[in-house]
Amino acid sequence: AQSVTQPDIHITVSEGASLELRCNYSYGATPYLFWYVQSPGQGLQLLLKYFSGDTLVQGIKGFEAEFKRSQSSFNLRKPSVHWSDAAEYFCAVVLYNNNDMRFGAGTRLTVKP
Amino acid sequence: EAQVTQNPRYLITVTGKKLTVTCSQNMNHEYMSWYRQDPGLGLRQIYYSMNVEVTDKGDVPEGYKVSRKEKRNFPLILESPSPNQTSLYFCASSLGGPGYEQYFGPGTRLTVT
Repeated sequence: AQSVTQPDIHITVSEGASLELRCNYSYGATPYLFWYVQSPGQGLQLLLKYFSGDTLVQGIKGFEAEFKRSQSSFNLRKPSVHWSDAAEYFCAVVLYNNNDMRFGAGTRLTVKP
Repeated sequence: EAQVTQNPRYLITVTGKKLTVTCSQNMNHEYMSWYRQDPGLGLRQIYYSMNVEVTDKGDVPEGYKVSRKEKRNFPLILESPSPNQTSLYFCASSLGGPGYEQYFGPGTRLTVT
């Protein structure tokens, strides 16, 4: 079945530590890939997206993501986490020539002082 | 200020009482979409619209209706709400489809008793 999987429901990291959030997709072709962030009580904000080309994508707030076709993955990374990064993070896909969007279940990030 | 607005922000209603959640955007976006967010399930798309008078079902359309009579507005209608429609609802818009950055509204928390 076609799906977007975020294996980690909740991750806790210390402020200043590095972060990697995992995302895997299961589709016949490579979809458009996105990471969105949802701060508490807010709507979602786009961090970055991948359509084609360079597999390492830079986004806002110091985030980056790497597309790995062989692993059907699009993991989000940040070298040094700040307390303000505490939020829920969603991976999402859109298939080519399709207009609907599928989200993963989300990963909640807690940042320890 | 560019924004997506939703009203009401909070709503408690009873089973079977018709309700409408309004969504409006001031960015002249072609694409608008409704999602519901439930714990552990992420966001699931209900309906989307590529343009005026053009709407399509998303992942979970049952029990919902939409209309797109004007470009800026995309109301979500629950003709006969049921308790399983208790959820957090988000409206979003983008320039030309979900492959473009989507701008999300602040959310509407609906409780159906």
